[in-house]
Amino acid sequence: SAVISQKPSRDICQRGTSLTIQCQVDSQVTMMFWYRQQPGQSLTLIATANQGSEATYESGFVIDKFPISRPNLTFSTLTVSNMSPEDSSIYLCSVTGSGSVYEQYFGPGTRLTVT
Amino acid sequence: AQSVAQPEDQVNVAEGNPLTVKCTYSVSGNPYLFWYVQYPNRGLQFLLKYITGDNLVKGSYGFEAEFNKSQTSFHLKKPSALVSDSALYFCAVITYNQGGKLIFGQGTELSVKP
Repeated sequence: SAVISQKPSRDICQRGTSLTIQCQVDSQVTMMFWYRQQPGQSLTLIATANQGSEATYESGFVIDKFPISRPNLTFSTLTVSNMSPEDSSIYLCSVTGSGSVYEQYFGPGTRLTVT
Repeated sequence: AQSVAQPEDQVNVAEGNPLTVKCTYSVSGNPYLFWYVQYPNRGLQFLLKYITGDNLVKGSYGFEAEFNKSQTSFHLKKPSALVSDSALYFCAVITYNQGGKLIFGQGTELSVKP
């Protein structure tokens, strides 16, 4: 499986500011995704990061709040904009495996706290 | 709408005893089913998957799961629990036409006591 790293691993931010999270994969992958895990909750898909085009957002998530870039097949960023305490979550990127597009592997996550 | 349910928030098991973590799903079309485990302060680790074929699938760390189409279930099992199995377990489903979107259950906290 691919090795996935995320930066930063955690951060504490003030409300109204923005944070950009990076996801780096050690091999080219077809699909990359961004998920959110709110405290004590399950994971919810934010968007699919498309290489060379705009991300595909799930219902309830918008580009102005969560802009995503994917300049190549190994890297993506998620920005959490104009943060509020409700954005405090773990943000995880995932990629599909080389053997199956239906098998996803997850990065270690970025734990964000907004004060 | 596609959904996954894990009816138990927490499962408590004594070390050495068998464990079961339950999962049921509701999807249109053929489901692809997964189990992930999350240890404290770590990301999700893939345990096993059911795509097609044998209903009993074996995965990492001695875990296995049984796909039951008539009961729309995919319960996770292990014959003999270890204290180190204590973690948060998530069941998830993808359907063919969902473009890779994983739908997760709410998670089950497994606690294995010595």
